[in-house]
Amino acid sequence: DADVTQTPRNRITKTGKRIMLECSQTKGHDRMYWYRQDPGLGLRLIYYSFDVKDINKGEISDGYSVSRQAQAKFSLSLESAIPNQTALYFCATSDSKGTTNYGYTFGSGTRLTVV
Amino acid sequence: AQSVAQPEDQVNVAEGNPLTVKCTYSVSGNPYLFWYVQYPNRGLQFLLKYITGDNLVKGSYGFEAEFNKSQTSFHLKKPSALVSDSALYFCAVRDGWGGGFKTIFGAGTRLFVKA
Repeated sequence: DADVTQTPRNRITKTGKRIMLECSQTKGHDRMYWYRQDPGLGLRLIYYSFDVKDINKGEISDGYSVSRQAQAKFSLSLESAIPNQTALYFCATSDSKGTTNYGYTFGSGTRLTVV
Repeated sequence: AQSVAQPEDQVNVAEGNPLTVKCTYSVSGNPYLFWYVQYPNRGLQFLLKYITGDNLVKGSYGFEAEFNKSQTSFHLKKPSALVSDSALYFCAVRDGWGGGFKTIFGAGTRLFVKA
């Protein structure tokens, strides 16, 4: 099983619909992140969470919300989807304790298309 | 503010030749530098990091990177490219000052290795 699992892998939704992307991890990491990837723009941070009670906005949080249901689960919601939210979304985790390599572990991504 | 630049959208190299993927960065404190690779339909995978110590760091799949403080660069290299190295490569920087956590990703460089 993957260390970081994202569901669904692909989703097509209509403008105005609410949609939730889910992320779960078995790494035991305390920090979790949501990024979106657009061609030529790299990865941009949407939201991040350092623990269950901690939620922070990233650089492009407008139109998104998140929920950290448990240390292992971090979901991203689009309250009312719009076409320019069509992108590849990644969940990532990291460990604040410095016992690992300071890098991130990424999920396989969710390809979201808003029509 | 921290930033990272990958000046080449695409790098083409023949199999067996050396490859270099360029990255420059800007941070206010000590940089933590990373390279990630993304294969089609997959999430990003950690390749290597520089935190401190030797300027030449070795990572997965025969890749290495050289930290150059005076040029604020962290170029990814491999002595002999393989067709299977064809992928999208991301440089990332984290500002180590004060235990900063935020990791910024470059826009990515697509590497094509021709047989």
